[in-house]
Amino acid sequence: QSALTQPASVSGSPGQSITISCTGTSSNVGGYNYVSWYQQQPGKAPKLMIYEVSHRPSGVSDRFSGSKSGNTASLTISGLQAEDEADYYCTSYTSSSTLYVFGTGTKVTVL
Amino acid sequence: DVQLVESGGGLVQPGGSLKVSCAASGFTFSSYEMNWVRQAPGKGLEWVSYISSSGSTIYYADSVKGRFTISRDNAKNSLYLQMNSLRAEDTAIYYCARQGSTWHLDYWGQGTLVTVSS
Repeated sequence: QSALTQPASVSGSPGQSITISCTGTSSNVGGYNYVSWYQQQPGKAPKLMIYEVSHRPSGVSDRFSGSKSGNTASLTISGLQAEDEADYYCTSYTSSSTLYVFGTGTKVTVL
Repeated sequence: DVQLVESGGGLVQPGGSLKVSCAASGFTFSSYEMNWVRQAPGKGLEWVSYISSSGSTIYYADSVKGRFTISRDNAKNSLYLQMNSLRAEDTAIYYCARQGSTWHLDYWGQGTLVTVSS
């Protein structure tokens, strides 16, 4: 099972909006509404930011939103803040015996 | 508060074995499915294994199938990963992660580093 494809890096200025894409196949992203997104600060454990494509866990800022079209899911961060600088990973449930497939990861830089 | 604390990592020679543990607290451990996810130094996340709440259903990534064994002890609120025939490419931080209401990982431990080297 190949990893989901994400851009290696995305950057934006404070206050701007950025979008991170996550491209898979019909066996994972396109076939299920089980895409989730994780934020990982340097040296820290990943933190769930979005689940089931567009649902935010309690406590996650509403500046984070998710969507999906076909085999590509997206994470949008609006009103970019310095604290958003981190690595972001998407993941999807997959129909193979490998239950989860992760994305390649995207480093977000706040200029 | 939900807490997941991994332990047992360390340095092991290629071909060796190691068992890492995850102590859970702050929730009813026996009601939740659990997972192990790893991250090689400077690399991305890789799902390793899943176990159902009762332990009756288990899945593995192809990269560890036949070498790693996931298990749990609900009486001790603990999750385990027995790793045999370790290879250099198994070097990683190993995270335990609680499965949410559907297919996502809602809480993660801080991880334990496993280094496979001679």
